[in-house]
Amino acid sequence: DTGVSQNPRHKITKRGQNVTFRCDPISEHNRLYWYRQTLGQGPEFLTYFQNEAQLEKSRLLSDRFSAERPKGSFSTLEIQRTEQGDSAMYLCASSLLQNSYNEQFFGPGTRLTVL
Amino acid sequence: TQLLEQSPQFLSIQEGENLTVYCNSSSVFSSLQWYRQEPGEGPVLLVTVVTGGEVKKLKRLTFQFGDARKDSSLHITAAQPGDTGLYLCAGPPISGSARQLTFGSGTQLTVLP
Repeated sequence: DTGVSQNPRHKITKRGQNVTFRCDPISEHNRLYWYRQTLGQGPEFLTYFQNEAQLEKSRLLSDRFSAERPKGSFSTLEIQRTEQGDSAMYLCASSLLQNSYNEQFFGPGTRLTVL
Repeated sequence: TQLLEQSPQFLSIQEGENLTVYCNSSSVFSSLQWYRQEPGEGPVLLVTVVTGGEVKKLKRLTFQFGDARKDSSLHITAAQPGDTGLYLCAGPPISGSARQLTFGSGTQLTVLP
């Protein structure tokens, strides 16, 4: 399967704990995105990488959130000191720089539940 | 306030019926994409419309982009239970970053057998 993969698919944690999610994009895609989706809403943009450079961050991305893409391949999203409001589906997507319309291909997401 | 408003929010119909869902904005978009999302999965890209007035067909699905590139519609003919899902429109607004997709809140479609 050469699509976008995300791990873990589900994560349950207690408030105050740190969590880390991983995204493996489609191999030739140089753009990588993180989104957050809550029930009944569309995905909301969090951050964007072009290769290893983090070029854009949403104001939704508080200082408890950090994302990396160290070698321009896989990416990690870490949430420190989780809060109940962080419970959501975290989606990763990738696309080709050459794609004029920024058509993005999404992974299956990581469902985070903070107790 | 959502930049992209989708209507209706929920739609439940019988197999074989036709339906139209709408995606509206007061902002101009350089292109609009339609995705379908099933429970517990990520959105899957269906189509991209880029030219004002453009109509694209994908089997029983017909997508239209408004002349002013502020709105779009998705029409499904003879809906089937397999069409059930959350339909999302998304795009980069001309006034914003071309790299960010802004999503609507979606239309949850249920097709009953």
